[in-house]
Amino acid sequence: EVQLVESGGGLVQPGGSLRLSCAASGFTFSSYWVHWVRQAPGKGLVWVSRINGDGSIINYADSVKGRFTISRDNAQNTLYLEMKSLRVEDTAVYYCARGAAAASPVGQWGQGTLVTVSS
Amino acid sequence: DIQMTQSPSTLSASVGDSVTITCRASQSISSWLAWYQQKPGKAPKLLIYKASSLESGVPSTFSGSGSGTEFTLTISSLQPDDFATYYCQQYNRYWTFGQGTKVEIK
Repeated sequence: EVQLVESGGGLVQPGGSLRLSCAASGFTFSSYWVHWVRQAPGKGLVWVSRINGDGSIINYADSVKGRFTISRDNAQNTLYLEMKSLRVEDTAVYYCARGAAAASPVGQWGQGTLVTVSS
Repeated sequence: DIQMTQSPSTLSASVGDSVTITCRASQSISSWLAWYQQKPGKAPKLLIYKASSLESGVPSTFSGSGSGTEFTLTISSLQPDDFATYYCQQYNRYWTFGQGTKVEIK
């Protein structure tokens, strides 16, 4: 069974840092693009970042560029999102999501992890 | 960046109704469009990809059409399980989602 399981969310103060993880199983992790998508409470879905199978191609939304870093460890089947200089507006459920290729829809979502940025 | 605009934001309908949601892209995305259903507290579920291809296991009451910049999702006969929020997504260049359409019970 294909699974993506996020962890690492929690409460952090503005300006703080947090690292999210997404453990993948049930498929050949290194063959897939993986993304982070977030959803603020009561709001819509917003793409955050993506990384290709071998980690050589990385892209970010303008809203997180320079503050967030996506990475992956194919030996551990794990995707990461390092978040720094967090803002109140970064508060959201963060989903990891799998895409088959650069231009493909979401084939699998994780269950999400909540990040709350508040003083 | 490609912007996606959905309409309406909210749609009130009854079981058995046929409903249509529209999604417009700020530039041509060919047929690189997907539709998702999301229920409260859950991750989205893929319904339609490549504008009109039905994902495996999705009821045939769901259909998609369009290309270029104009797309529609139609639910031909609303069932109780269909009351949810629906999002379009372009995957021509990165990913962009529409703002969502909540389908609620009239």
